[in-house]
Formats: sequence, C-alpha cells, structure tokens
Amino acid sequence: NAGVMQNPRHLVRRRGQEARLRCSPMKGHSHVYWYRQLPEEGLKFMVYLQKENIIDESGMPKERFSAEFPKEGPSILRIQQVVRGDSAAYFCASSPDGSGGYTFGSGTRLTVV
Amino acid sequence: DAKTTQPPSMDCAEGRAANLPCNHSTISGNEYVYWYRQIHSQGPQYIIHGLKNNETNEMASLIITEDRKSSTLILPHATLRDTAVYYCIVSEGANSKLTFGKGITLSVRP
Repeated sequence: NAGVMQNPRHLVRRRGQEARLRCSPMKGHSHVYWYRQLPEEGLKFMVYLQKENIIDESGMPKERFSAEFPKEGPSILRIQQVVRGDSAAYFCASSPDGSGGYTFGSGTRLTVV
Repeated sequence: DAKTTQPPSMDCAEGRAANLPCNHSTISGNEYVYWYRQIHSQGPQYIIHGLKNNETNEMASLIITEDRKSSTLILPHATLRDTAVYYCIVSEGANSKLTFGKGITLSVRP
C-alpha cells in the first residue's frame, strides 16, 4: 500500500512564476492536509480539504495561494507569483476519517530563486 | 498556538528508555493527545495517540496522568535512529487540524 505521494520532491521556480505541488493521499483516504515548514521553523497548518470541499483554510495566506482536492486526481497546492519567502518544505498528509492519526508524505522542497 | 509545553531538548543513551514529557494543562475533555516525530527533514511520522487511558503500540507507550494535564511518551529501547524532533499535540481528533509546536529534540547517544 503506497503511502502519501508528493511530487515533485524538489521544485525550483524563479520569482513571479507559478508553483504547483501535487499530493496523492493513501488509498481510501479522503481527508487531505497541507503544512508548510519554513527553514529552521516548525510545521504550520495551511489547509484541510475533503473531496471537492475546503474544510479549513485558516492557515492559508490570503493572496497567491490556493488548494483543491478534486473528485478525481491528486490534491493540488498552487502558489502564484512566487516570492523568495515562499521557499520552504511543503508537506501533505492524509487520513481516512479526519482523525489526527495522519500519514505524511515526504514533502516538496520549493526553492524560489 | 500550540496548547502543549515541552522541554527543548533531551538526550539518552542507546538501548535505554527515553521518557519524553509533555504538559497540556488546558486540555479539554474531548481532546486527544497525539505524538509525532520528524527525523531530520523528512515528513512527520505518527507515533501514538490517546484520550484517557495509557496506550502502547509497536513504537512506543503513552502514559497520560489521571487529570490529563500531562503525558509521557516512552521509547522503551532507544536507538540512534530515534534521534528526531518529537511533537506532542492536543486535538479534538475528527475533522480537526493538528497544531505543531517547537517539539523536543531527542538525541540518542551511542
């Protein structure tokens, strides 16, 4: 049973470009969470989604960031017009029922140059 | 903000038990205690969780005090691979996000 799959593992973008991070949850998991970890800092919650619904986006920056979890396919975290401060590790997690026993992916390391 | 307090770091000898403390004095009746760890820059790994009773699985044991204001994660036989940042988190569980604090850095020495 494959775990939570995130791709790409590493992503380099120039300032002003768009970044798309993908997350495929574990089979049977319909709850997806995105977290960001800035260099030398802790994990910060960004958004919680179920299929086709955003449940909690209280941690999402108001501008440039969006997330979706369509009926078919992976969850996507989209960052428009990236800036250097967006450089971080972005982790996705999934759970089968919304409980806190998440399974995390290996993360996407975004570097903005 | 995280609702837990953990010491910043601790160490233990390889093969010995590692006892990681956590204070959560404001925990409410429907909140669970979760423990995760993050090894280097990998994705966090779920370890264990509990509500009132002590819990044990293949990785660790979780001891929750009767008043639920604190808990201890026990790694019975620490190995070098257990060196990581360990996070104690309280959460309502279903449909709730996890708020990570700074965690405790456990260093296992040979």
